[in-house]
Amino acid sequence: DAKTTQPPSMDCAEGRAANLPCNHSTISGNEYVYWYRQIHSQGPQYIIHGLKNNETNEMASLIITEDRKSSTLILPHATLRDTAVYYCTGWGNTPLVFGKGTRLSVIA
Amino acid sequence: NAGVTQTPKFQVLKTGQSMTLQCAQDMNHEYMSWYRQDPGMGLRLIHYSVGAGITDQGEVPNGYNVSRSTTEDFPLRLLSAAPSQTSVYFCASSRARGQSYGYTFGSGTRLTVV
Repeated sequence: DAKTTQPPSMDCAEGRAANLPCNHSTISGNEYVYWYRQIHSQGPQYIIHGLKNNETNEMASLIITEDRKSSTLILPHATLRDTAVYYCTGWGNTPLVFGKGTRLSVIA
Repeated sequence: NAGVTQTPKFQVLKTGQSMTLQCAQDMNHEYMSWYRQDPGMGLRLIHYSVGAGITDQGEVPNGYNVSRSTTEDFPLRLLSAAPSQTSVYFCASSRARGQSYGYTFGSGTRLTVV
């Protein structure tokens, strides 16, 4: 199962795009990449997931490199409510294994 | 409302006591998992289940026991509570690997062992 590496923290100006990177160089061929976020101490919230192709939904876009060793979560117009810890994780033979994530601070 | 329900929300235990954290989902999800989250840390997988009658260990299973007698319920048992088990516990469920929306998480149980 993939081990993920994310920067511990990032800042983003309100209204700008937030680009959160994730390295998952050990990901296997059948392992999905998932992104979640956790606001304060609430339960994590699903954002988006993908296998090979780039994905977009109402919350965000997910860009996966062709070799699948890294991905980027894009929040197109960050708001103050997007301040949270963002987790990149994988689902292969065992359920989601989470790292420490990236703490995104959206600044007014 | 459909979702994952965890009870209790808060609990204080004395060292050596046992208790069961309850988790129930009404979405007919096959996958269920238990995670713990310590301050400033990410979530660590304790135990998981891929269907009724099937359970397996995660990253940090010691001191915990689980069973999955029905699709809906996945209780987590602390056998003999220790201060190191003070944490926030999250239960999660999913229809299947790779399906939309991934895991749905409960709101958590905040456990303090004194």
